[in-house]
Amino acid sequence: ETGVTQTPRHLVMGMTNKKSLKCEQHLGHNAMYWYKQSAKKPLELMFVYNFKEQTENNSVPSRFSPECPNSSHLFLHLHTLQPEDSALYLCASSQGLSASYEQYFGPGTRLTVT
Amino acid sequence: DQQVKQNSPSLSVQEGRISILNCDYTNSMFDYFLWYKKYPAEGPTFLISISSIKDKNEDGRFTVFLNKSAKHLSLHIVPSQPGDSAVYFCAAKTNYGGSQGNLIFGKGTKLSVKP
Repeated sequence: ETGVTQTPRHLVMGMTNKKSLKCEQHLGHNAMYWYKQSAKKPLELMFVYNFKEQTENNSVPSRFSPECPNSSHLFLHLHTLQPEDSALYLCASSQGLSASYEQYFGPGTRLTVT
Repeated sequence: DQQVKQNSPSLSVQEGRISILNCDYTNSMFDYFLWYKKYPAEGPTFLISISSIKDKNEDGRFTVFLNKSAKHLSLHIVPSQPGDSAVYFCAAKTNYGGSQGNLIFGKGTKLSVKP
């Protein structure tokens, strides 16, 4: 138990559906992250939020829309996804953005787009 | 182009022996290097890190070595235990520029420790 929870753990959706992934951290951290892990690829950073403000958008398509209402919660809204978007989506948090702060990861949401 | 490379996708070691996992990087601006461990159906968990100003950091059975001139780091696990069987990710980050603190991961090495 890392103090970072993600729901749902598994999600199957069609290409025309709209769904949302939720992440919550109980560590009092100020920075939150979304990562994507596709098969046989490294974890790829998608978005970074620091004190609820987005500081990084790593060229992510607009069909992925993040939302950070407060420092403890992070959402990833999904719409009109493609089958190649099927992957493990991981949320993480850290005390701040400094390189000295380690990131704590949630268990991930396994997404399948049909 | 990958900035962090783990060239061995898998490693098999006998229980009680040493496990050595290797990682190479290309960006000389990296300040910190980290190792994460991942079990199936779980997120990565932080294992050990090293600052670029050091060449060794030790925590119990885990030691990370950094060779800046070779842009290479390694994780040593001694003695290896069956519970160490997992995927190990090498990651790096920098305090400079617009990507401060962003973790860059390698593809991972799957370690199997056999009883």
